[in-house]
Amino acid sequence: QSALTQPPSASGSPGQSVTISCTGTSSDVGGYNYVSWYQQHPGKAPKLMIYDVNKRPSGVPDRFSGSKSGNTAFLTVSGLQAEDEADYYCSSYAGNNILFGGGTKLTVL
Amino acid sequence: QVQLVESGGGLVKPGGSLTLSCAASGFTFSDYYMSWIRQAPGKGLEWVSYIGTSGSPIYYADSVKGRFTISRDNAKKSLYLQMSSLRADDTALYYCARERGNYDFDYWGQGTLVTVSS
Repeated sequence: QSALTQPPSASGSPGQSVTISCTGTSSDVGGYNYVSWYQQHPGKAPKLMIYDVNKRPSGVPDRFSGSKSGNTAFLTVSGLQAEDEADYYCSSYAGNNILFGGGTKLTVL
Repeated sequence: QVQLVESGGGLVKPGGSLTLSCAASGFTFSDYYMSWIRQAPGKGLEWVSYIGTSGSPIYYADSVKGRFTISRDNAKKSLYLQMSSLRADDTALYYCARERGNYDFDYWGQGTLVTVSS
């Protein structure tokens, strides 16, 4: 049950786009279209931003988008805003098991 | 509105036991799968356990299998996690979360802190 692999940090200036990767295996990310992404601000509970690879829950801005290629999933944040600065975690179903990535700290410069 | 409120955390000695509770409101609890997810201080998220609407299926992470037991009481709209043989690496903030549909979580509580230390 190895965690999914995310870069520890990412950054961008306001208005720019940034993409965060999440690498797994054919037994998790590559094997199912059940990848989700969570945003977590300091001291707060995680918030669901993307589910089923590329679907957005109601209320999540369309600046957030998800995609997948093979064993790697991606979260893209377009038009970066100051409030997007947070930790982001990917997650994937892995057959009777749910894996999370180690998290990526997104800094808005 | 949907609310999940965890309780039962605290300081426990290695080898000890603790039971966490999660009180749900604002939705039909019996219609949803539920999970416990934990976060060690300064670390990432780790899924712990998962329970179906009527108490099955039940899944556990390998790290807690045989030591933790998840259960639910739909009449009381409550989720539980019985933890035994606790170790220092079980120290974490434990979140209760509602599963939206496909192994993702749309509502989370604020967490209850479990500290395992002598």
